[in-house]
Amino acid sequence: AQTVTQSQPEMSVQEAETVTLSCTYDTSESDYYLFWYKQPPSRQMILVIRQEAYKQQNATENRFSVNFQKAAKSFSLKISDSQLGDAAMYFCAYRSTQGGSEKLVFGKGTKLTVNP
Amino acid sequence: GAGVSQSPSNKVTEKGKDVELRCDPISGHTALYWYRQSLGQGLEFLIYFQGNSAPDKSGLPSDRFSAERTGGSVSTLTIQRTQQEDSAVYLCASSLVTGAGNQPQHFGDGTRLSIL
Repeated sequence: AQTVTQSQPEMSVQEAETVTLSCTYDTSESDYYLFWYKQPPSRQMILVIRQEAYKQQNATENRFSVNFQKAAKSFSLKISDSQLGDAAMYFCAYRSTQGGSEKLVFGKGTKLTVNP
Repeated sequence: GAGVSQSPSNKVTEKGKDVELRCDPISGHTALYWYRQSLGQGLEFLIYFQGNSAPDKSGLPSDRFSAERTGGSVSTLTIQRTQQEDSAVYLCASSLVTGAGNQPQHFGDGTRLSIL
């Protein structure tokens, strides 16, 4: 079974600075999808960015980018020019392309604090 | 509606009672998922629907938990004879299924269930 590990329970960053959140995963599959979700106190999970494993190019979405290292099974999230609204729980998630299930496997999350 | 809708937002009930949680997915989304988030934890997969059938119900923790989906739309998660360890936020998500497997899941705001 696939597992996702987020080794940083909490992180903090100064407003306008850059922060990187770590994520590693374990799988024997060669094709899969990876996601980062943000969960503010409102509870709703918001998709931040996604990456297809067969793509070597790292995904970017405005201030958010990933460093996808397939061989190392690492998928870190970089937030540039951090803003107060970025404060939230961030979850890394894995989705298999096999087995007929579309379920996401989540890490335990990293709580990000943005200091003014 | 514009997003995934869940009701009730909060539910408090006594141990041993049955509860029903409702999820109304985004119109046109054939896939529907239920997850559970315990305090300070990541999301734990419960069940996945494709249309009205559930090809993956491997995450249901016990036979007290059941779910159904009718008309390919609204889903109900039922917990019978609730226990205190059932206290959690129950999140529902929906997505398109295109065969490419890369469609993101869109989440509702969740139902916070508290068992006294």
